[in-house]
Amino acid sequence: DADVTQTPRNRITKTGKRIMLECSQTKGHDRMYWYRQDPGLGLRLIYYSFDVKDINKGEISDGYSVSRQAQAKFSLSLESAIPNQTALYFCATRGDSSYEQYFGPGTRLTVT
Amino acid sequence: GQQLNQSPQSMFIQEGEDVSMNCTSSSIFNTWLWYKQDPGEGPVLLIALYKAGELTSNGRLTAQFGTTRKDSFLNISASIPSDVGIYFCAGLTDSWGKLQFGAGTQVVVTP
Repeated sequence: DADVTQTPRNRITKTGKRIMLECSQTKGHDRMYWYRQDPGLGLRLIYYSFDVKDINKGEISDGYSVSRQAQAKFSLSLESAIPNQTALYFCATRGDSSYEQYFGPGTRLTVT
Repeated sequence: GQQLNQSPQSMFIQEGEDVSMNCTSSSIFNTWLWYKQDPGEGPVLLIALYKAGELTSNGRLTAQFGTTRKDSFLNISASIPSDVGIYFCAGLTDSWGKLQFGAGTQVVVTP
């Protein structure tokens, strides 16, 4: 089984809808991250969390919110989706002893 | 903010050829990571570099942490079809573990 899972893998939604993307991990890592990938732009950090009581904004947090429900779960929400939020979204985790981040398989989100 | 430039943007190579790509930054990084992304999947860590001048191999992959700490290089020797994908460099920006990613190098291998 995969160490980092994301649901759903694909989602099409309409402008103005609220949507939640979920991430779960079995690696036992405290640190979790949400990234967005657009063609030609690499990955950009949306939010990150170092434990269930710690949430931090990343480079592009506007229009997004997160919830760290447990050590193993980190959810990303789009309160009112807009078309330019169409992208691939990745969750990642990191342990305490290194800076190496491990990614989930991604969610492809389309906002029409 | 920090700028991380990855080149080339894409490469079309024949099976058996060697591949080289690099990342350069306007700022110093203390850690460089190299990832590969297959279509429809998340990035997978290939190599981590922690020390200026460090040269690290993982099978046919070799990566180097530049001595200026502003650049890093990845080489793939004797490419095979499964090397197809997008390769990303990432530099560690701070002690919180935030990474800055390059835009990626798309590698296409033809038989």
